[in-house]
Amino acid sequence: ETGVTQTPRHLVMGMTNKKSLKCEQHLGHNAMYWYKQSAKKPLELMFVYNFKEQTENNSVPSRFSPECPNSSHLFLHLHTLQPEDSALYLCASSRGQFSGANVLTFGAGSRLTVL
Amino acid sequence: SQQGEEDPQALSIQEGENATMNCSYKTSINNLQWYRQNSGRGLVHLILIRSNEREKHSGRLRVTLDTSKKSSSLLITASRAADTASYFCATGLIQGAQKLVFGQGTRLTINP
Repeated sequence: ETGVTQTPRHLVMGMTNKKSLKCEQHLGHNAMYWYKQSAKKPLELMFVYNFKEQTENNSVPSRFSPECPNSSHLFLHLHTLQPEDSALYLCASSRGQFSGANVLTFGAGSRLTVL
Repeated sequence: SQQGEEDPQALSIQEGENATMNCSYKTSINNLQWYRQNSGRGLVHLILIRSNEREKHSGRLRVTLDTSKKSSSLLITASRAADTASYFCATGLIQGAQKLVFGQGTRLTINP
């Protein structure tokens, strides 16, 4: 709907499961981002990839593992999560992290619930 | 520490009235952006104002920026029920790779 597609839209997983979130953009952008949105908290930047290279890891626990095989696709691999990891995970893209004013295009988000 | 802080946290007005939301930030910026989020969805970019600009308009939106006070405001004129959403300011920092730091948002409710 916005050029950035996230799947799945909803995910329920147990603490011992392994799952992945997927993000795809069709905008020709070169930078991709993962943000976490929890209730009553500001958006937290998790990871940034610029031309497939990771340029930002905002002290994210290792149970979250990003993967960016090309500039159009971004994954977030999840394993042994905690209930406090339940949140809306937002993917975004932009022309490039070093291209001046950085306007982000967001996907609709993946709502994750960890039981 | 949090860069952008919106005020108020929640705002409820009647349809047709104007809505004003404020954003304060702490460090020097390259630009400031406003985004909108409908419940449980992704954010949508509304408007960007650069640090050398003082005011910008887009349709019913008016944004001001006061770099001396490190603050910005978003005015939505003639509000509509469809404007009900959360509104976030995001600051683009001067130094280093551009990354946006978001505030906690203002929840705007327009009552018909």
